Amino acid sequence: SAVISQKPSRDICQRGTSLTIQCQVDSQVTMMFWYRQQPGQSLTLIATANQGSEATYESGFVIDKFPISRPNLTFSTLTVSNMSPEDSSIYLCSETGQGRGTEAFFGQGTRLTVV
Amino acid sequence: GDSVTQMEGPVTLSEEAFLTINCTYTATGYPSLFWYVQYPGEGLQLLLKATKADDKGSNKGFEATYRKETTSFHLEKGSVQVSDSAVYFCALSAPNYQLIWGAGTKLIIKP
Repeated sequence: SAVISQKPSRDICQRGTSLTIQCQVDSQVTMMFWYRQQPGQSLTLIATANQGSEATYESGFVIDKFPISRPNLTFSTLTVSNMSPEDSSIYLCSETGQGRGTEAFFGQGTRLTVV
Repeated sequence: GDSVTQMEGPVTLSEEAFLTINCTYTATGYPSLFWYVQYPGEGLQLLLKATKADDKGSNKGFEATYRKETTSFHLEKGSVQVSDSAVYFCALSAPNYQLIWGAGTKLIIKP
């Protein structure tokens, strides 16, 4: 099973600033996913990050607001830009092995509060 | 498209009670099914999974059986503990390797 280290684990940020969340996997993976989990809600996929190509964003999420980098097969970052209180959420990175029945592994999550 | 429907929470039970959290799905193919658990302040952990019809996943006393005829994957545990208090998510694997998530069910176990 993959081990994913995500940091920071939590942060309190001022509105209008940006925060970059880092995600490190202990093995090489092709696809990484970034999710947002708003308070008391389920997971919403922000984007899929493949190494060597631009991230694929889901409806409602744009690159200018959530730029993603994927410089190699073990690392990815998500930036939350120009933050507002509505961005207060838990942000999670995950990886899913390719193959039938392969589960997703998650980082510990980043609990972001924007004030 | 594919979707997952879970029973709404919160579900409140006394310790040692029997637990069932319902999960049904809609999928065009034959997805794998998962239950994840999120303890307070933590990330998501895989609880159990099943990859084909009639498979039973089990872990930590929890069980779920992949029922193709009823498109269900209900989570059960015979005797819950206070430490089982968490949010439980049902999910299925989509063809593009993403997971489709249910809304989550908060479980509260009282001593």
